[in-house]
Amino acid sequence: AQSVTQPDIHITVSEGASLELRCNYSYGATPYLFWYVQSPGQGLQLLLKYFSGDTLVQGIKGFEAEFKRSQSSFNLRKPSVHWSDAAEYFCAVGVDTGRRALTFGSGTRLQVQP
Amino acid sequence: EAQVTQNPRYLITVTGKKLTVTCSQNMNHEYMSWYRQDPGLGLRQIYYSMNVEVTDKGDVPEGYKVSRKEKRNFPLILESPSPNQTSLYFCASSLSFPPGQGSEKLFFGSGTQLSVL
Repeated sequence: AQSVTQPDIHITVSEGASLELRCNYSYGATPYLFWYVQSPGQGLQLLLKYFSGDTLVQGIKGFEAEFKRSQSSFNLRKPSVHWSDAAEYFCAVGVDTGRRALTFGSGTRLQVQP
Repeated sequence: EAQVTQNPRYLITVTGKKLTVTCSQNMNHEYMSWYRQDPGLGLRQIYYSMNVEVTDKGDVPEGYKVSRKEKRNFPLILESPSPNQTSLYFCASSLSFPPGQGSEKLFFGSGTQLSVL
């Protein structure tokens, strides 16, 4: 069965610092990969996705992610964090066979210090 | 405005009292799904539907029912809620699954916080 691991439960960075959130997946084939952000009391908003092609994906709000097949990773990055980026971030994996579901990681909560 | 609408946003109930959480989308999406979110577990799929009258179980279907009589609506039914169903529930929809081609994406509702006493 596919699985997604986000090893960092909680991360604190200073405003203006760079950010990298880790995501590792376990699946035999290349899955479809997503990053979502959830602000308090809100639903999930898609930041970016990878289906095929260029392994460096640009998303909204200045985020990017890089798919590394050899490491089964899809880490999310941002060069300079803003206070409004404080939220919970979820990595998710989907496949186009079998059960139609995204498998989510357990999330990483980002805190931004002034 | 394209959206997925869930109601209610908050619900407190007692064990055994049947309840329904409604979900409606205005985008003519074929795929709809229900997830529950619990701390430290991320989101887990309860049920999904690929189209009208086509539904299937997700990872955690026990204690839940769904129906898809119309394309826009996908209600979640708890016939006899129990305290372990206390959770934050999300409905989601997309044109197809997986939602990857072009600008396609999975749209999420704002969530329903359910407490079962």
